[in-house]
Amino acid sequence: AQTVTQSQPEMSVQEAETVTLSCTYDTSESDYYLFWYKQPPSRQMILVIRQEAYKQQNATENRFSVNFQKAAKSFSLKISDSQLGDAAMYFCAYRKAGNMLTFGGGTRLMVKP
Amino acid sequence: DAGVIQSPRHEVTEMGQEVTLRCKPISGHNSLFWYRQTMMRGLELLIYFNNNVPIDDSGMPEDRFSAKMPNALFSTLKIQPSEPRDSAVYFCASSRGPQETQYFGPGTRLLVL
Repeated sequence: AQTVTQSQPEMSVQEAETVTLSCTYDTSESDYYLFWYKQPPSRQMILVIRQEAYKQQNATENRFSVNFQKAAKSFSLKISDSQLGDAAMYFCAYRKAGNMLTFGGGTRLMVKP
Repeated sequence: DAGVIQSPRHEVTEMGQEVTLRCKPISGHNSLFWYRQTMMRGLELLIYFNNNVPIDDSGMPEDRFSAKMPNALFSTLKIQPSEPRDSAVYFCASSRGPQETQYFGPGTRLLVL
């Protein structure tokens, strides 16, 4: 079974600074997808970024980027120029082609003004 | 696009009562997923449908839980009878297909007293 591990239960960053959230996963597959979801206090799950395993280029969405290390099975999320609105729970998720999402335990990000 | 719509947003009920949660997927999306989120177990997939047909219900906790998708516009998750341990946030998500990115609804916060 696939597992997704987020080793940082909580992280803190100063506004306008950069923070990196860690995620590792375990799989024997070569074709799969990785995601980062944000869950603000409203509880809604919001897709932040998506990475296809077959792509070597790291995905980027504005201030959000990933460092995808396929051999190391690592998928970290970098948030640049952190804003107060970035404060939320962040979930890393894995999906094998044609299979369902498996979520990590989440990292709570706090942004200090 | 209105996004995934869930109702009610909050539900408080007494143990033994029937609870029905509703979900309207994004128009044009063929796959629908029901998740449950608790502090103890994190995010768990309960069941998913593809083209209105249940594909995998291995995550449904027990016979008290049932889900239906009578058409592409609507799905329900029913708990009968409800128990205090069912208290959680229930999310519905939809995607264009089982291999596509999932978009989550705002969730239903259920409290069973």
